[in-house]
Amino acid sequence: EIVLTQSPATLSLSPGERATLSCRASQSVSSYLAWYQQKPGQAPRLLIYDASNRATGIPARFSGSGSGTDFTLTISSLEPEDFAVYYCQQRSNWYSFGQGTKLEIK
Amino acid sequence: EVQLVESGGGLVQPGRSLRLSCAASGFTFDDYAMHWVRQAPGKGLEWVSGISWNSGSIGYADSVKGRFTISRDNAKNSLYLQMNSLRAEDMALYYCAKDRGYSGYDWFDYWGQGTLVTVSS
Repeated sequence: EIVLTQSPATLSLSPGERATLSCRASQSVSSYLAWYQQKPGQAPRLLIYDASNRATGIPARFSGSGSGTDFTLTISSLEPEDFAVYYCQQRSNWYSFGQGTKLEIK
Repeated sequence: EVQLVESGGGLVQPGRSLRLSCAASGFTFDDYAMHWVRQAPGKGLEWVSGISWNSGSIGYADSVKGRFTISRDNAKNSLYLQMNSLRAEDMALYYCAKDRGYSGYDWFDYWGQGTLVTVSS
């Protein structure tokens, strides 16, 4: 089983600031990594797939990078609607999710 | 418009069984793999199981292997999850999710709103 570890658990920032979220895999997942956003009471939404590709309709302020075991989701300038929980997911060996990073308003 | 509507959740005693269903519409169901993902109250996401378009490839999380069975009926545009020997730790909101890959496994591009399973005596 591939374990994904996200950091930090909580990130407190203000609108307009840059957010950097990390995801580390217990073994290489190549580029088979995605990022999802989940808001309270809603289902998750696919943001980034294959480590760096934005899903349909996702704003350009969201970007992903990394390969192998270390990955980053960057939000270049936070909008009020970006405050949510973010999960990484791998599909190198079936599927697993990280434990999530809560992005909260400072 | 893609729609995924889960049903079948409810209160069940430990050790008993429950069958979840997911009704799909708005896309060609038998072209895509499908998945179940769960989320315990206040916790993160956990992939539970996935099934390929033709049921030829099926996978399970270690936590449910041997107890849960995923299946699909392409004629009815429906996905199922048979859950046996339920435990307290299976209590969660169960989401049905569509795979974005054509005839293979990929990422999850559409999700239902979930059905809640409560395991308690």
